[in-house]
Amino acid sequence: GAVVSQHPSWVICKSGTSVKIECRSLDFQATTMFWYRQFPKQSLMLMATSNEGSKATYEQGVEKDKFLINHASLTLSTLTVTSAHPEDSSFYICSAPGTSGRANTGELFFGEGSRLTVL
Amino acid sequence: GNSVTQMEGPVTLSEEAFLTINCTYTATGYPSLFWYVQYPGEGLQLLLKATKADDKGSNKGFEATYRKETTSFHLEKGSVQVSDSAVYFCALAGGSYIPTFGRGTSLIVHP
Repeated sequence: GAVVSQHPSWVICKSGTSVKIECRSLDFQATTMFWYRQFPKQSLMLMATSNEGSKATYEQGVEKDKFLINHASLTLSTLTVTSAHPEDSSFYICSAPGTSGRANTGELFFGEGSRLTVL
Repeated sequence: GNSVTQMEGPVTLSEEAFLTINCTYTATGYPSLFWYVQYPGEGLQLLLKATKADDKGSNKGFEATYRKETTSFHLEKGSVQVSDSAVYFCALAGGSYIPTFGRGTSLIVHP
């Protein structure tokens, strides 16, 4: 099946620094990728939808300048947490939708997730 | 908007017990329905799916049937194992739908 690789799997940084998380589709092209933040007690919050070659679509309440998303190629999307603070500590997960021909099958292929801890 | 509601956990069972995790959805039209599983410290992976009404998805002993009349997609397994301990997410997606997830249900299976 399709593979999505996310890196790094965990990162610890100091408050005020920026952290970049990469999400790669290894064996398929992804014109769209979704970025989620997972809070304690499991719930997944969709942060934004990244689109190759255009601006990301952010969900309501997500700061665009805080969480920079770039989808530079058909296999790579990045999330940069700028000027990170302890409240940004969380588990971030990316995913890409599977396709059959041009149709979106609805199935999502997830990265392994990135645990961010801001001190 | 579209939404997915699933039962709150944790669900705690003994090994070989029967499992049901309820999931209902609200959507315009007919999305595809999915169950994903997340093992500790990992990302989500697809468990099973159904793309239209009355379809039954199955995998690893788990089953779920797409019920249009009750807008439900309950997850069941006849005999759970300790290795099934994980968080289970119900979701709708497909076509033009933005993937929408339930809150997740933690399953804990004791030996």
